[in-house]
Amino acid sequence: ETGVTQSPTHLIKTRGQQVTLRCSSQSGHNTVSWYQQALGQGPQFIFQYYREEENGRGNFPPRFSGLQFPNYSSELNVNALELDDSALYLCASSPSLPGGLNNEQFFGPGTRLTVL
Amino acid sequence: QQQVKQSPQSLIVQKGGIPIINCAYENTAFDYFPWYQQFPGKGPALLIAIRPDVSEKKEGRFTISFNKSAKQFSLHIMDSQPGDSATYFCAASTGSNYQLIWGAGTKLIIKP
Repeated sequence: ETGVTQSPTHLIKTRGQQVTLRCSSQSGHNTVSWYQQALGQGPQFIFQYYREEENGRGNFPPRFSGLQFPNYSSELNVNALELDDSALYLCASSPSLPGGLNNEQFFGPGTRLTVL
Repeated sequence: QQQVKQSPQSLIVQKGGIPIINCAYENTAFDYFPWYQQFPGKGPALLIAIRPDVSEKKEGRFTISFNKSAKQFSLHIMDSQPGDSATYFCAASTGSNYQLIWGAGTKLIIKP
């Protein structure tokens, strides 16, 4: 177990709705990243937060947004859901700051989002 | 240039055999190359990782071989077991951030 937890495990939404996914990082892990993994594909980087500030963003539209809190928890918010947003959403935490020597990322089990 | 290309897409090996999964990259700024193992319904779990200053790294039955000049790296699984059946992903990132760029994955089946 990585110590990274995510909730909920599964979620079903309809097109146009909004969703919030939650992640709890390991204590002391100041960096959290979110990834989208479509069925049968590798994860795609959405964005990363370090000490509550966005530290980088992948090729995702602004309707994907995030928050990181001082208690090592974070959220991924998706507005105006589209069918293609159906995927496994993964969060990963890391013990070092970006640019540090330790790039290791520890993943949670993911939230399976289905958009109908 | 940000891509990581992984092959093969799927692989079937007899128990005890040595499956080999290959990855290639273009971005010479990449300096961290991890391999992840993912079981159905689970998040990826870090198996082993390497930096470009070494050509090989072993951890238990898992070995990474790294060829900096060819911009390629591979995963070898020694004495493979049915429990190793999973999807394996290579990835890469730079030291300036943790934005992992992932390969497409290899579905590995180890036959008893």
